[in-house]
Amino acid sequence: DTAVSQTPKYLVTQMGNDKSIKCEQNLGHDTMYWYKQDSKKFLKIMFSYNNKELIINETVPNRFSPKSPDKAHLNLHINSLELGDSAVYFCASSQGSQPNTEAFFGQGTRLTVV
Amino acid sequence: AQSVTQLGSHVSVSEGALVLLRCNYSSSVPPYLFWYVQYPNQGLQLLLKYTSAATLVKGINGFEAEFKKSETSFHLTKPSAHMSDAAEYFCAVSDKRGYQKVTFGTGTKLQVIP
Repeated sequence: DTAVSQTPKYLVTQMGNDKSIKCEQNLGHDTMYWYKQDSKKFLKIMFSYNNKELIINETVPNRFSPKSPDKAHLNLHINSLELGDSAVYFCASSQGSQPNTEAFFGQGTRLTVV
Repeated sequence: AQSVTQLGSHVSVSEGALVLLRCNYSSSVPPYLFWYVQYPNQGLQLLLKYTSAATLVKGINGFEAEFKKSETSFHLTKPSAHMSDAAEYFCAVSDKRGYQKVTFGTGTKLQVIP
């Protein structure tokens, strides 16, 4: 049973398209995150939700819009995709949003914009 | 704002040799510190974390790290490398205040030579 699962695992799309990445966790956690890992492996937080409420919203283009329909799901929608959006996107979850909590990561979605 | 610096983007060790991966942090107050491991095509997994309870922290798979405030370091060690340790290792830091908002280092790729 996968704890944090993302779909799709690979996504190749053309510039200007709109795409979504889905994330589900079955750990019963109340906090979920989206991270972006670039080609140099640099990992940066994008968003964080606690009990469906947005609590962290880093400097991310408005083209990125997260949606949390319930505590177990956090989806990421990207409008008007650009070449620079190519990266691996990781979903993660934790029990609680305290600074010392362990995050559990999904396997990532490799997005390639051509 | 807190940050971490990982010295050496690539480290090679022989199987059975000591593993030492270096991490230095920058923070106005002692932060929470983490080491995560990423195996190929997988998400990150927590190895260990420092939350100020004890300066020597033991983690999974035989890894440990020591928090040294005087040196602002949190180096990761393992006495004897195994082939299965080959992976990317990320040091991360989180401010003790506010929400869980981890800042990751740029990663160190560990190669284990048979």
